[in-house]
Amino acid sequence: DVKVTQSSRYLVKRTGEKVFLECVQDMDHENMFWYRQDPGLGLRLIYFSYDVKMKEKGDIPEGYSVSREKKERFSLILESASTNQTSMYLCASSLPGGQQETQYFGPGTRLLVL
Amino acid sequence: DAKTTQPPSMDCAEGRAANLPCNHSTISGNEYVYWYRQIHSQGPQYIIHGLKNNETNEMASLIITEDRKSSTLILPHATLRDTAVYYCIVRSTGNQFYFGTGTSLTVIP
Repeated sequence: DVKVTQSSRYLVKRTGEKVFLECVQDMDHENMFWYRQDPGLGLRLIYFSYDVKMKEKGDIPEGYSVSREKKERFSLILESASTNQTSMYLCASSLPGGQQETQYFGPGTRLLVL
Repeated sequence: DAKTTQPPSMDCAEGRAANLPCNHSTISGNEYVYWYRQIHSQGPQYIIHGLKNNETNEMASLIITEDRKSSTLILPHATLRDTAVYYCIVRSTGNQFYFGTGTSLTVIP
């Protein structure tokens, strides 16, 4: 079974803090993704990575950065957290496969920025 | 990616088959149909996917109409743990899955 783990299930941070969200997958997948999920907006892609040290912007990269130093780990960084970044953050991974690229999701991190 | 239309909610009696419909009338020939579900406060879980033929795995069956404009996910014997939001996604080349609002399935004891 594919396993994608995220460092925290719940996180409370203050405005202006730097926040690190960690994601680890154990299936040697090349592709990794960070989404955020908000009520009524579905899942929106923040960043993705096709390989170590590679990153691509998704639909809503503003206010975020990412790091992929090792194949199994993909980190999402909120440089200066703001209240509008309160959300559910979901990490996913997949093998490369075009339209058959099944993404496997982690349990999610629910972030509250005060 | 082609747009999908799903009913917002459905109920199903425990032990009965749950049939979740999805319309994707603008699907093109090389686009796959994927189904995921999301139990409250958890990450989406992959269920099944297909292109043209019907597919079955240990979780569910996927029936795709011959013209590929609609599909049905079948959970053969629904349990309370199947209560979740079910997403039908049409996937073309690209980097992400576009999750709509899905169908909220409630399995009733």
